[in-house]
Amino acid sequence: GENVEQHPSTLSVQEGDSAVIKCTYSDSASNYFPWYKQELGKGPQLIIDIRSNVGEKKDQRIAVTLNKTAKHFSLHITETQPEDSAVYFCAASPISGGYNKLIFGAGTRLAVHP
Amino acid sequence: EPEVTQTPSHQVTQMGQEVILRCVPISNHLYFYWYRQILGQKVEFLVSFYNNEISEKSEIFDDQFSVERPDGSNFTLKIRSTKLEDSAMYFCASSDRFNTGELFFGEGSRLTVL
Repeated sequence: GENVEQHPSTLSVQEGDSAVIKCTYSDSASNYFPWYKQELGKGPQLIIDIRSNVGEKKDQRIAVTLNKTAKHFSLHITETQPEDSAVYFCAASPISGGYNKLIFGAGTRLAVHP
Repeated sequence: EPEVTQTPSHQVTQMGQEVILRCVPISNHLYFYWYRQILGQKVEFLVSFYNNEISEKSEIFDDQFSVERPDGSNFTLKIRSTKLEDSAMYFCASSDRFNTGELFFGEGSRLTVL
């Protein structure tokens, strides 16, 4: 089955700096790669996702890149703000007709210091 | 915006007791999932449910666990005889029948087994 590795486990940056979180996956059948943000005491919230037919996707300060050959994908947050502080999870899955069994990475705790 | 709702938000129970966690998925969604997150660890897949039956389950989902969709709106996770190691946050999620890919998560139910 799919296995997702995520690094680093913790990341501390100054406000305004960029943050990069990296993930690798094992199952070449995976074709959907979302990133979730989890704030304390809440459920994971989707912040951006990418499919295997796309190499890069951007949404304001957040971007995700995918390298299918190397089986890795990354989250880039630019101009970080204190409200970006949270745990970020990458995930991978082979979507089929709406069925989406996500396998998550271990998470990265991001701290943005003012 | 439609959302997945879960009850209770927190349940404390004695080891060996039965627990039922309840979820109301988004109304037009057809796929339903339970995930578990032990404190400080990754979000782990437990089970998926479609067309009134389990479509996939992980090795965590042993005979002590069961899921049910008793009516048109609720989706429940039952743990028959709780163990200390069942203490975790349990997240319900749902996805629609189109190939959009997004899993919508509830806020979670925290289970504490004493």
